[in-house]
Amino acid sequence: KAGVTQTPRYLIKTRGQQVTLSCSPISGHRSVSWYQQTPGQGLQFLFEYFSETQRNKGNFPGRFSGRQFSNSRSEMNVSTLELGDSALYLCASSLSMGLGYNEQFFGPGTRLTVL
Amino acid sequence: AQSVTQLGSHVSVSEGALVLLRCNYSSSVPPYLFWYVQYPNQGLQLLLKYTTGATLVKGINGFEAEFKKSETSFHLTKPSAHMSDAAEYFCAVRGSGSARQLTFGSGTQLTVLP
Repeated sequence: KAGVTQTPRYLIKTRGQQVTLSCSPISGHRSVSWYQQTPGQGLQFLFEYFSETQRNKGNFPGRFSGRQFSNSRSEMNVSTLELGDSALYLCASSLSMGLGYNEQFFGPGTRLTVL
Repeated sequence: AQSVTQLGSHVSVSEGALVLLRCNYSSSVPPYLFWYVQYPNQGLQLLLKYTTGATLVKGINGFEAEFKKSETSFHLTKPSAHMSDAAEYFCAVRGSGSARQLTFGSGTQLTVLP
C-alpha cells in the first residue's frame, strides 16, 4: 500500500507570492492533518480535515488555509508569503477521526523556501 | 491544554551504549503518547505509542518506552545504540475532543559515536 505522498517535495518562492501544497493520503484514509516544522518553532499543528470539512485548526494566521476533496486528497495554501513561512510542511493521514486512537502516518514533507 | 517537554536538545552516546531520551508531558485528559523518529530530509516515522493498557511499550528497532503517570513521563530507551539510530527524535501527546491534534516536543538530536 502506498504511503502518504506530498508534492512538490521542494519549492522556492519569493515574499508576497502564494503557494499551494498537495497531499495524497494513504488509500482508505479519510483524515488529513498538516503540520509546519521550523528550527525555531518546531513542529506545529496547522489544521485537520475530515470528509471535506476542517475539523480542527491550530494557531496560525488566516494566510494559511486548506481544503480537502471528495477523494480525501488535501491541499494547503499560503498567501502573501513571508520569510518566516520557510519550513518543512508535513502532511499526515489517518483512517478517521472518531473516538479512540487513530495512528497518523506522515508523508516526506514539502520543503518551502521563501526568498 | 497539552504540552510536551523533551529534556536535552542534543544527546550523544557511544555505539553499544544505552540510549535514554527524556520526555515529560502535560495533559488534562488521559493522553495518547508517541515517539517519532525523523531522518534528514524525511518525514516522521512512528517508533512506538502508548494508548491504553500495558505501560511498557515496545516499538520498532529495539526501542521501548514506559508510561509513568505519577511522573508524567514517557522516556524512550534502547539498550544498545547503533550508528543507524542517529536521527532526531520527537515525543508527542494527543488528547481528545478539541485537543486531538498531535502536540510535539522540541526534539532531541541523537548522535551515536563510533
